[in-house]
Amino acid sequence: AQSVTQLGSHVSVSEGALVLLRCNYSSSVPPYLFWYVQYPNQGLQLLLKYTTGATLVKGINGFEAEFKKSETSFHLTKPSAHMSDAAEYFCAVSPLTMTNTGNQFYFGTGTSLTVIP
Amino acid sequence: NAGVTQTPKFQVLKTGQSMTLQCAQDMNHEYMSWYRQDPGMGLRLIHYSVGAGITDQGEVPNGYNVSRSTTEDFPLRLLSAAPSQTSVYFCASSYSYYTDTQYFGPGTRLTVL
Repeated sequence: AQSVTQLGSHVSVSEGALVLLRCNYSSSVPPYLFWYVQYPNQGLQLLLKYTTGATLVKGINGFEAEFKKSETSFHLTKPSAHMSDAAEYFCAVSPLTMTNTGNQFYFGTGTSLTVIP
Repeated sequence: NAGVTQTPKFQVLKTGQSMTLQCAQDMNHEYMSWYRQDPGMGLRLIHYSVGAGITDQGEVPNGYNVSRSTTEDFPLRLLSAAPSQTSVYFCASSYSYYTDTQYFGPGTRLTVL
């Protein structure tokens, strides 16, 4: 079964500082990996995703994530935080093969990012 | 494209009442799903559909029904609301059911008293 762990439910960074949000997954086969962002009172929108190929994935708004198979990780980073980055971030995985429960995205519990001016 | 739309945005129910949360998408997506979001628990899948006429249960289906008569619409029915169903509900759609990027609606905030 898939599971996703996001270390740190709350992360605070100063404006201009590095953003690092951690995500680890458990799967015997590397799944597809996603990061979604949720701004207050809005739905989720895709930041970036990894399917195959290059392990460093670039997304919108200057974010990027690196898939590390040996560490079963997919951490999200941004070199310089901006006030507008304050939001909830969710890591999600989706299995490569159809399971008997269909296509299930497994979401982490989320990390709330605060940016301090 | 309007994307994924949900109505209503907010709803307050009394225990035992029933209601339908509406979801529609105009992207001709085959796959649609319903999630609930609760503090500290992320998003959990309630029901999903891989195409018109086909639905199946997700992780937390109890107390909810769905149907999919058209590609565009995927309503979620609460049969007899309970306080435990107080949550924010999100509808999502994707081109195919298989690992594709999901597009989310703005959500419905439901309170059951």
